[in-house]
Amino acid sequence: GIQVEQSPPDLILQEGANSTLRCNFSDSVNNLQWFHQNPWGQLINLFYIPSGTKQNGRLSATTVATERYSLLYISSSQTTDSGVYFCAVEGGVPYNQGGKLIFGQGTELSVKP
Amino acid sequence: GAVVSQHPSRVICKSGTSVKIECRSLDFQATTMFWYRQFPKKSLMLMATSNEGSKATYEQGVEKDKFLINHASLTLSTLTVTSAHPEDSSFYICSARRTSGNTIYFGEGSWLTVV
Repeated sequence: GIQVEQSPPDLILQEGANSTLRCNFSDSVNNLQWFHQNPWGQLINLFYIPSGTKQNGRLSATTVATERYSLLYISSSQTTDSGVYFCAVEGGVPYNQGGKLIFGQGTELSVKP
Repeated sequence: GAVVSQHPSRVICKSGTSVKIECRSLDFQATTMFWYRQFPKKSLMLMATSNEGSKATYEQGVEKDKFLINHASLTLSTLTVTSAHPEDSSFYICSARRTSGNTIYFGEGSWLTVV
């Protein structure tokens, strides 16, 4: 099956700093999503981005499908950005199964005031 | 607003009892839903694929007799943890794909504690 690797595993930032989180995947994908898991466990969908670039406020993401990686950019970080960020992919043929996501191990971000 | 809803958000049960967790798609029909489990400080691991009107498909290593999945309608899938043990304590979360578009949405998750 598809392998998903995220880096770094942990990241500590001072409030206001920028950061880049990376997600590498081992095969072609139909779907790639970035999630933020809050302290209560809820997964917040940040981006659906199997290719290209999207921006939403201080967050942006870029996926280069041909090179099998995606980047999540956080600018001017705030303490509320703390939590775990997951990249998850749905494989292309022959792996695609109607919504089955394979998750990376996550990046735990801590933003200090 | 929420697209996929899960209930209960937290449950404590005694060893040996069974507990049911519900996952509902709120404004769309989902022929397929997915159940994941997450241990503390770990990633989400897919447990099974819930198929409306047919048997669930379980991932390797997941006990189908312990984790019963029923998908009786197009908007509801249930996960029943049977004969619960303390090691079943975990965070369980479901997902579904909205019929319009490709984004997959997750429920709020359910924290299970077996005492």
